[in-house]
Amino acid sequence: AAGVIQSPRHLIKEKRETATLKCYPIPRHDTVYWYQQGPGQDPQFLISFYEKMQSDKGSIPDRFSAQQFSDYHSELNMSSLELGDSALYFCASSLRSGGEQYFGPGTRLTVT
Amino acid sequence: GNSVTQMEGPVTLSEEAFLTINCTYTATGYPSLFWYVQYPGEGLQLLLKATKADDKGSNKGFEATYRKETTSFHLEKGSVQVSDSAVYFCALQGAQKLVFGQGTRLTINP
Repeated sequence: AAGVIQSPRHLIKEKRETATLKCYPIPRHDTVYWYQQGPGQDPQFLISFYEKMQSDKGSIPDRFSAQQFSDYHSELNMSSLELGDSALYFCASSLRSGGEQYFGPGTRLTVT
Repeated sequence: GNSVTQMEGPVTLSEEAFLTINCTYTATGYPSLFWYVQYPGEGLQLLLKATKADDKGSNKGFEATYRKETTSFHLEKGSVQVSDSAVYFCALQGAQKLVFGQGTRLTINP
């Protein structure tokens, strides 16, 4: 069965650079969620989209923005990167807002 | 707000031992409860879930029962294997987002 696809899987950036993470949900899923997992930490919710509209917002820094496109894929844009942004970023999708979430493999971002 | 508290790790057991990882939660309303597993270098995999009180989720020999009266969702397995070594996260879902516990690292020795 098709799963959530995230790209890239690994990304290395320098401080103050920008990064764009992409998420392709399971076909027919209309809701996307982004989570950030720091080293040795539990995943923290960043933001979610339902039918291309922001549906919930968590602890997402102002330097980050995200959107969901007409084909339901989502992009997380991160600017002015800081060392503390180094983390595993997960995307999850669900069939409806609040439905069971299926996680992608994650993008490991390293900021040097 | 919603929160999840997990038994602190790490937990180290011998193969075939009985496993319990405690999880308690605080939530408004009636959340769904989940256990996720994360193997080294990999993403989050849903292990089991329960959507209402007294439901029992089970998968791969693991079980957890949604106990509303004690606000708990403890994970159990009767006989663990080396391949069960991973980090286990308890989580709840209210309206939308998942709220995770801090994770418990489990190591099973042969």
